[in-house]
Amino acid sequence: AQSVTQPDIHITVSEGASLELRCNYSYGATPYLFWYVQSPGQGLQLLLKYFSGDTLVQGIKGFEAEFKRSQSSFNLRKPSVHWSDAAEYFCAVGAGNTPLVFGKGTRLSVIA
Amino acid sequence: EADIYQTPRYLVIGTGKKITLECSQTMGHDKMYWYQQDPGMELHLIHYSYGVNSTEKGDLSSESTVSRIRTEHFPLTLESARPSHTSQYLCASSVGTAGGEKLFFGSGTQLSVL
Repeated sequence: AQSVTQPDIHITVSEGASLELRCNYSYGATPYLFWYVQSPGQGLQLLLKYFSGDTLVQGIKGFEAEFKRSQSSFNLRKPSVHWSDAAEYFCAVGAGNTPLVFGKGTRLSVIA
Repeated sequence: EADIYQTPRYLVIGTGKKITLECSQTMGHDKMYWYQQDPGMELHLIHYSYGVNSTEKGDLSSESTVSRIRTEHFPLTLESARPSHTSQYLCASSVGTAGGEKLFFGSGTQLSVL
């Protein structure tokens, strides 16, 4: 079965600074990989996903993620963080026709 | 964008009460899911359905039950609520291969059992 680890529970960055959120997965084959964002009091919204092909994936709101098979990682990045990016970020892994497995999430705080 | 609705948004009830959390989607998605989410924790899958009259239990042991009589409706029922059921419950839907498709989430129901 697949699993996901997000090592950072909480990250604080300054507005305008770059951001990288880490995600490691465990699965025997190439999985489907996702990043979702959850604003306070809301459901989750898809930022981006990776299936195959180009390992650098572009998403909404200026986010991107890079799939690195050798490191079993799918880290999320943004070059310049905005205050509105403060939220909870979840990495998820999918395989075949089984439901997605989510990580514990990383809470992002943005300071002025 | 999301056309998936959960009611109620907030619910405070006493121990022992029977409750039903509603989830409806208007997108015609065949797959629907219930996740339980506690603060700082991952989303735990408690039930899912791949179509009408098809339901499965997820990874997290749950005392709740679900039904899928219509494509658009996937209610979750707790026969006797307990304080340990206090949590946020998120409903989601998707179409296509379960592991590879985008999930559409509702805004959630925050349940508090006193």
